[in-house]
Amino acid sequence: DAEITQSPRHKITETGRQVTLACHQTWNHNNMFWYRQDLGHGLRLIHYSYGVQDTNKGEVSDGYSVSRSNTEDLPLTLESAASSQTSVYFCASSNSVNEQFFGPGTRLTVL
Amino acid sequence: KQEVTQIPAALSVPEGENLVLNCSFTDSAIYNLQWFRQDPGKGLTSLLLIQSSQREQTSGRLNASLDKSSGRSTLYIAASQPGDSATYLCAVSSGNTGKLIFGQGTTLQVKP
Repeated sequence: DAEITQSPRHKITETGRQVTLACHQTWNHNNMFWYRQDLGHGLRLIHYSYGVQDTNKGEVSDGYSVSRSNTEDLPLTLESAASSQTSVYFCASSNSVNEQFFGPGTRLTVL
Repeated sequence: KQEVTQIPAALSVPEGENLVLNCSFTDSAIYNLQWFRQDPGKGLTSLLLIQSSQREQTSGRLNASLDKSSGRSTLYIAASQPGDSATYLCAVSSGNTGKLIFGQGTTLQVKP
């Protein structure tokens, strides 16, 4: 069955380190998204991509970057991790009718 | 700016009860609306997708309705079960972009 996987599922890092969260989908969807989920803020869009070599900023993109070199993967990089980036991160992809499917999430703690 | 609100934030009901979860949005020019379920520590599972031209969608014991003019959607759960306990999120897309704006969710507890 097609799915979205994220790795690692849990990550602890230190302030100032670069961190990359992986997202891989086997749906063959062109559209992919990264969200963060925080108590009191709900789910907020970080970056998104409509296809290979396409990337766009979302609502809370500062301190994050993405790259899209193939259809299946959209890694999210935190350039210099900050405590404010402690969160649960979800990757998603959407089909031709814009129905979104989510990965299991990565819980990131920045100490 | 589109805003999505879900009320109540939490709901507790006895098993077997029929219930309605509410979602409202401020801009009626939506492309579609999607309901999700999220179990603790898990990702989001898509329940129902309603396109802007549709009034409702059904899947098993779930029925979602959409009234664009009033900026409202409801998720009806029939004959609730303890396994329905989870957080339910609604999200709207304001264009054919796939970008979703989420509500804060309603956390449902169904007591045996």
